[in-house]
Amino acid sequence: DAKTTQPNSMESNEEEPVHLPCNHSTISGTDYIHWYRQLPSQGPEYVIHGLTSNVNNRMASLAIAEDRKSSTLILHRATLRDAAVYYCIPSGGSNYKLTFGKGTLLTVNP
Amino acid sequence: NAGVTQTPKFRVLKTGQSMTLLCAQDMNHEYMYWYRQDPGMGLRLIHYSVGEGTTAKGEVPDGYNVSRLKKQNFLLGLESAAPSQTSVYFCASRIPGTVNYGYTFGSGTRLTVV
Repeated sequence: DAKTTQPNSMESNEEEPVHLPCNHSTISGTDYIHWYRQLPSQGPEYVIHGLTSNVNNRMASLAIAEDRKSSTLILHRATLRDAAVYYCIPSGGSNYKLTFGKGTLLTVNP
Repeated sequence: NAGVTQTPKFRVLKTGQSMTLLCAQDMNHEYMYWYRQDPGMGLRLIHYSVGEGTTAKGEVPDGYNVSRLKKQNFLLGLESAAPSQTSVYFCASRIPGTVNYGYTFGSGTRLTVV
């Protein structure tokens, strides 16, 4: 599995954009980059995933570097409900498994 | 639409006791997973199943057994609980064969072994 490096914590203000970085320099060519988040006292939930191109969905955007060694999860307007631990997980193949690191704890200030 | 349901939500066991955690999903997902999460840590994979009647070991399988007798249910058993198994246990499921559908997780079972 590719090793990932994420900041232990980040802070943001409500209604401001948040950029959560992730380094995955050992990612293999077939690995997708998955992002999950875990709200307090809940199980993780899927946020977004991508392979090479930038991706958007209703929750967030994912910007992937051209060399795929890093990616950034973008929350366009943070809300209090976005306070969570965010996990960046490279994994691929039809039988892909999720290997969780410690993630980034995002605090959103009102 | 319940998604992934875990029972019980909380449990306290004495060392040496046994118990079974139940995971049920109503999404007709083929793949199911059991994870544990210790304080301040990410989730670690215990066992997983790629279909009814099949199970496989994950990263930390020792001390646990699993069964998948029905497609919708995945059971995690602790035969002789130890304090080191105090943790929050999460079950997840997903559609196989594609990365285009993510994992759906349950809300967890908080287990304390005293």
